[in-house]
Amino acid sequence: AQSVTQLGSHVSVSEGALVLLRCNYSSSVPPYLFWYVQYPNQGLQLLLKYTTGATLVKGINGFEAEFKKSETSFHLTKPSAHMSDAAEYFCAVSDRGSGNTGKLIFGQGTTLQVKP
Amino acid sequence: DSGVTQTPKHLITATGQRVTLRCSPRSGDLSVYWYQQSLDQGLQFLIQYYNGEERAKGNILERFSAQQFPDLHSELNLSSLELGDSALYFCASSVDSGNIQYFGAGTRLSVL
Repeated sequence: AQSVTQLGSHVSVSEGALVLLRCNYSSSVPPYLFWYVQYPNQGLQLLLKYTTGATLVKGINGFEAEFKKSETSFHLTKPSAHMSDAAEYFCAVSDRGSGNTGKLIFGQGTTLQVKP
Repeated sequence: DSGVTQTPKHLITATGQRVTLRCSPRSGDLSVYWYQQSLDQGLQFLIQYYNGEERAKGNILERFSAQQFPDLHSELNLSSLELGDSALYFCASSVDSGNIQYFGAGTRLSVL
């Protein structure tokens, strides 16, 4: 069965510092990979996704993630944190291939705190 | 705005009661997913409908049921409610299975 592990339930960075949120997946076949962001009292918004092709994926708000098959990882980065980046971030996977229902399996989430 | 509408935003009810959560997908989306977000279980997939038919089931309790209507809106019915059912319930929609899912703002259910 697929699973997603996000290392660190809370990450704190200073404004302007590098953001690194870690995600590892477990799957017999590399799945589709997603990062979603949830701001307080809001739904989930897609930041970026990896399906195929280039392993470095650029998303919205300056975020990017790199798919590393050998490490079964899909870590999220941003070179310079803004105060507005404070939110909860979820890594998710879904099956690829025929019969794929698209259901998302989520990690436990990482709360990003940005200090002034 | 994702284009996915969920009503109501908040619901407060008592144990043993039954509630209905409603979801209107984005225009053109045929697939609707329901997820539950709770402090202890995190975000969990409950059930998926595609063009009116159930396509996939996750960790959905027997006390819960869902349906998708001909106009593609969906309802999640929760019955014999327990304290542990208190959670945020999200609906998401996509054009088809495997496509990007767009999430609604959620319905926060409080069972007292």
